[in-house]
Amino acid sequence: EVQLVESGGGLVQPGGSLRLSCAASGFTFSSYSMNWVRQAPGKGLEWVSYISSSSSTIYYADSVKGRFTISRDNAKNSLYLQMNSLRAEDTAVYYCARVLYGGGTYYFDYWGQGTLVTVSS
Amino acid sequence: SYVLTQPPSVSVAPGKTARITCGGNNIGSKSVHWYQQKPGQAPVLVIYYDSDRPSGIPERFSGSNSGNTATLTISRVEAGDEADYYCQVWDSSSDYWVFGGGTKLTVL
Repeated sequence: EVQLVESGGGLVQPGGSLRLSCAASGFTFSSYSMNWVRQAPGKGLEWVSYISSSSSTIYYADSVKGRFTISRDNAKNSLYLQMNSLRAEDTAVYYCARVLYGGGTYYFDYWGQGTLVTVSS
Repeated sequence: SYVLTQPPSVSVAPGKTARITCGGNNIGSKSVHWYQQKPGQAPVLVIYYDSDRPSGIPERFSGSNSGNTATLTISRVEAGDEADYYCQVWDSSSDYWVFGGGTKLTVL
């Protein structure tokens, strides 16, 4: 059974940093690209960042570029999101999601339960 | 950047058919994927490649995509279908994953 378990969320002051983790199990983690997607309270889904299976390709949403860093450790079956210079508007539930590619498109077939990040003084 | 537009809400009586639209410029040239999100839960993929269903998703869920509109259709709606639904595409011109704003489906 595919499982994705996020951790590392919490309360942080504006300008602070936080590192999110996503532990994967039930599939060959090193064969799949992964994404982070977030959802502000009461709002819709927003894509945050993408990393390919070998970490050779990385993309970021404009809203986090230069502040967030995505990475992965295939030996530990783990995905990470280092978040620096946090702002109030970064407050959200952060989901990790497994990515599938085919037919010239990408989609997310499995999602974790999410971890809440609150940026507030 | 590419924009997807969904109606904020759709209401339907039990047993009837719900149609949730997702509008975008020439969206018919892209593959559209749909997610269901119930309160307090993570999103779940219900349709991919416009009209394919993952295993475990009831046949009542179907999708179509043409022109400037993609549609998620839920037949014989049940109370358990009440949720937020999001459409998603990958914009290859900008390497961006784009979500629609979401539609809240209310079962009357």
